[in-house]
Amino acid sequence: EAGVTQSPTHLIKTRGQQVTLRCSPISGHTSVYWYQQALGLGLQFLLWYDEGEERNRGNFPPRFSGRQFPNYSSELNVNALELEDSALYLCASSPGLKNTGELFFGEGSRLTVL
Amino acid sequence: SQQGEEDPQALSIQEGENATMNCSYKTSINNLQWYRQNSGRGLVHLILIRSNEREKHSGRLRVTLDTSKKSSSLLITASRAADTASYFCAPQGAGGFKTIFGAGTRLFVKA
Repeated sequence: EAGVTQSPTHLIKTRGQQVTLRCSPISGHTSVYWYQQALGLGLQFLLWYDEGEERNRGNFPPRFSGRQFPNYSSELNVNALELEDSALYLCASSPGLKNTGELFFGEGSRLTVL
Repeated sequence: SQQGEEDPQALSIQEGENATMNCSYKTSINNLQWYRQNSGRGLVHLILIRSNEREKHSGRLRVTLDTSKKSSSLLITASRAADTASYFCAPQGAGGFKTIFGAGTRLFVKA
């Protein structure tokens, strides 16, 4: 069974640009979570989607947004990139609101903003 | 939502020694999970302990939970260089599944 897949794995952008990161959850999983991990730091919760709806949002500015598609895949969009947006962006999935709580993570998308 | 706080921030041991990491949280939980992250990679789920359990084992891992003290510990026995990673706890309360992670414990196992 395929795990959580994320794309792209690495990308470099310049300040002010926009980026879209993609995540495909494990088949059958309806919840998708996004986290930001700056170098050497812990994970900061960004967004949680379930069944196509945004369920919760972390303490990030509105230029961070996302959506979940009918097939449960998800996109994270970041507009007007700033240098401090450089980080590893991790996506995780779970079976949804009835799950045990275990999250399954992808390998991440490493974004560098120059 | 819940957030666990791991302690110590970093731990350096020799191969073969045991490593103990601690986690504290603030409100009641349904379960608590431990994850491992190898450098620059995604997190891997290690073990889940429910609020009505006090101890759980998985291979070389032993997790304890003390709900009265709102704390958990992860013990890795006979550590190996491959155990070098960051370890995160994730307490999960009722009514929602937004999982918040702390800063983690960085474990270095020297060969």
